[in-house]
Amino acid sequence: GAVVSQHPSRVICKSGTSVKIECRSLDFQATTMFWYRQFPKQSLMLMATSNEGSKATYEQGVEKDKFLINHASLTLSTLTVTSAHPEDSSFYICSARGGTTSGGIETQYFGPGTRLLVL
Amino acid sequence: TQLLEQSPQFLSIQEGENLTVYCNSSSVFSSLQWYRQEPGEGPVLLVTVVTGGEVKKLKRLTFQFGDARKDSSLHITAAQPGDTGLYLCAGGPNFTNTGNQFYFGTGTSLTVIP
Repeated sequence: GAVVSQHPSRVICKSGTSVKIECRSLDFQATTMFWYRQFPKQSLMLMATSNEGSKATYEQGVEKDKFLINHASLTLSTLTVTSAHPEDSSFYICSARGGTTSGGIETQYFGPGTRLLVL
Repeated sequence: TQLLEQSPQFLSIQEGENLTVYCNSSSVFSSLQWYRQEPGEGPVLLVTVVTGGEVKKLKRLTFQFGDARKDSSLHITAAQPGDTGLYLCAGGPNFTNTGNQFYFGTGTSLTVIP
């Protein structure tokens, strides 16, 4: 299957600093990338949809000035958590959409996630 | 508002038992996917179902897409400890919405006890 990587896998930072997370599709071009946030044993909460070369679309309640998304190429999207606070601590997962199944339906492939801890 | 509701939310069973996880919605989806996620990792795609009434089998896992494409089920036969994880259904794109995103279910946390 398609491979999506995330970097870093784990980050600890001080309150007030900014953290950048990279999401790369390694063997296909992703027309769309998604960023999710997940709390322990809960489902994924969509934060924003990122399309290459255009502004990201944020879900209701997600601050676009706090969670900056840049999708500079068809294989790379970045999420920057600006002025991070302890409540931003979470598991952040990206996914890339591309390729097709035998039925012609595009599939989402997920990165391994980034664990952010803000002290 | 959660478009896709999964049940049960938590499930703990003994090795060798059978189980079924349900994914229900009032919305129609063009496709539905099932994922399994282990702690600290991203979700891994198990299957995609596209046609109403479709049934797919993956070893001991059987997936069914409802005739109206609003619901799905995952049945595991003779569960093993390796099946432990968070099971997520995801539907999309949704015919009643203009977005192109997938919508995730509420999740089912499965624990199989040896």
